Amino acid sequence: SQQGEEDPQALSIQEGENATMNCSYKTSINNLQWYRQNSGRGLVHLILIRSNEREKHSGRLRVTLDTSKKSSSLLITASRAADTASYFCATMNNAGNMLTFGGGTRLMVKP
Amino acid sequence: KAGVTQTPRYLIKTRGQQVTLSCSPISGHRSVSWYQQTPGQGLQFLFEYFSETQRNKGNFPGRFSGRQFSNSRSEMNVSTLELGDSALYLCASSPGLALSYNEQFFGPGTRLTVL
Repeated sequence: SQQGEEDPQALSIQEGENATMNCSYKTSINNLQWYRQNSGRGLVHLILIRSNEREKHSGRLRVTLDTSKKSSSLLITASRAADTASYFCATMNNAGNMLTFGGGTRLMVKP
Repeated sequence: KAGVTQTPRYLIKTRGQQVTLSCSPISGHRSVSWYQQTPGQGLQFLFEYFSETQRNKGNFPGRFSGRQFSNSRSEMNVSTLELGDSALYLCASSPGLALSYNEQFFGPGTRLTVL
């Protein structure tokens, strides 16, 4: 079963706009990670935020984590057509030996 | 460093057969995890190996098994294949050091089709 739920399931925006994806989870975590997947290929790690962190930036990506609400958000600023992909959040358990993925958000960025 | 490699990339089998998939982690990584991805169930954790020991196992039937070798390469085996086993099987590696919960590096996956 999946730990997390992602919202929205699909998102369509114009190039240059910002895209925000949300993730909720159920149990305590060590860290939360965001991955990107292009068209049924392998996943690419984007960013990791630890449970004691509240916000993290990497280039055009901004991730927030609210452990009291068991939720996270991923913001992609100034989106590009090349950002079109599925984005998944994943939580790492405290033992560090299992990632549990959400259902993913399919992002389409129109040129 | 070379990335995670998985072989074969595509596989077609028939119901009742068995299949073995292989994963070579990034050099120096000692943890290998396997995931199944299907349109209906999404990405689901199968198992994780560290130093040839299975440290965790997901909620899959016993037909799904795996192992890890001393060079950290890993194989997973599915016996008595069912149509529902058709999926993208993803392998991921990480350094796997205790209390060092780093990101996982994924391979391109093996797409298994069961007819």
